[in-house]
Amino acid sequence: QVQLVESGGGVVQPGRSLRLSCAASGFILSNYGMHWVRQAPGKGLEWVAVISYDGSNKFYADSMRGRFTISRDNSKNTLYLQMNSLRAEDTAVYYCARALGVTYVFDIWGQGTMVTVSS
Amino acid sequence: DIQMTQSPSSLSASVGDRVTITCQASQDISNYLNWYQQKPGKAPKLLIYDASNLQTGVPSRFSGSGSGTDFTFTISSLQPEDIATYYCQQYDIVPLAFGQGTRLEIK
Repeated sequence: QVQLVESGGGVVQPGRSLRLSCAASGFILSNYGMHWVRQAPGKGLEWVAVISYDGSNKFYADSMRGRFTISRDNSKNTLYLQMNSLRAEDTAVYYCARALGVTYVFDIWGQGTMVTVSS
Repeated sequence: DIQMTQSPSSLSASVGDRVTITCQASQDISNYLNWYQQKPGKAPKLLIYDASNLQTGVPSRFSGSGSGTDFTFTISSLQPEDIATYYCQQYDIVPLAFGQGTRLEIK
């Protein structure tokens, strides 16, 4: 079935880096734009970044621009989020989400992976 | 950046009640507005896209309306399984933005 599975979360010290992965199955990743969305503990949803179907266009939320990099490997059906210079406020569950058609409507979500930034 | 203001932040209602949540955008977003349901410990689920279109497989008791800056999400007859937090989301302009959420409880 159509599925997204995130991995790579964990506990990391402030200032360090972490790379998240999102493996797609049941559909061809290269046909879809993809997003990362995060949710701090007990808080609401926050959009992180988007990458176009072919990787040619990327956009970021202001607070992540310059520290986070979204990328994809369509040959591996996998989306990535490289997170550098991590801060305590980056602690959250990170979800990858598929964009419906050519819109920014999130029709399929992964189960999320928890990132904790703490010394 | 566009700000999304959702109200109320929490709501208690009885099974069978009609429930309404509103979402206001800080500027005109046409109909680029979606609604999601999130149950505790789970990923969000798309319910309504483009303000009023029901996602495939979503029960017809859920509906949405509005355009421009003011939007409404309605559950026509609340069911126990509808207990969740609901979010609106605009996608007219990047950065995309969510409302702060409405936590729905059974009275």
